[in-house]
Amino acid sequence: DARVTQTPRHKVTEMGQEVTMRCQPILGHNTVFWYRQTMMQGLELLAYFRNRAPLDDSGMPKDRFSAEMPDATLATLKIQPSEPRDSAVYFCASGLVLADNEQFFGPGTRLTVL
Amino acid sequence: AQSVTQPDIHITVSEGASLELRCNYSYGATPYLFWYVQSPGQGLQLLLKYFSGDTLVQGIKGFEAEFKRSQSSFNLRKPSVHWSDAAEYFCAVGFGNQFYFGTGTSLTVIP
Repeated sequence: DARVTQTPRHKVTEMGQEVTMRCQPILGHNTVFWYRQTMMQGLELLAYFRNRAPLDDSGMPKDRFSAEMPDATLATLKIQPSEPRDSAVYFCASGLVLADNEQFFGPGTRLTVL
Repeated sequence: AQSVTQPDIHITVSEGASLELRCNYSYGATPYLFWYVQSPGQGLQLLLKYFSGDTLVQGIKGFEAEFKRSQSSFNLRKPSVHWSDAAEYFCAVGFGNQFYFGTGTSLTVIP
């Protein structure tokens, strides 16, 4: 049963600390998305990769957030330094470059910044 | 600008009653249309999708949705709601490299 995995599932950290979230897309998928979900803002697209290249990261605060795909099986989202307003659930999703744009979501990382 | 609108933030229905969740989109052409469901503490799961052809599409868990081009709508329906359907429902549109989610509709099911 292929699925997107995300680690850690929960993270509590203090303001100013670096946070790294990891995502393993479904094997064979070549598009990866990072989303942030909060009560106030809903589901926001942060960044989007295709074939490991960033296509759109306009939704991501550039001064503290960075997203990379070191290889086809790993995507990372890093926050440095973290702030309390970054507290949210971060979702990774993957898909195929087909016309249907269907995305498969991971279980999310719940981040709390104190 | 492209957008997806889910006008109902929250809906409450009785178990066994019918359900319709609304979704409207604003786009120059017919995009690819999706409905996702998110149970508490979970990621999003695809319920159904529409690309072309028959405008009434069937999904998982007994859901269906109808695409109406004239109304730019893609409403989700279920004839008889079960308590386990309580969740957040998101409509989404995709076109090329772009993908947009609606703000979601929270469904409460009462016994």
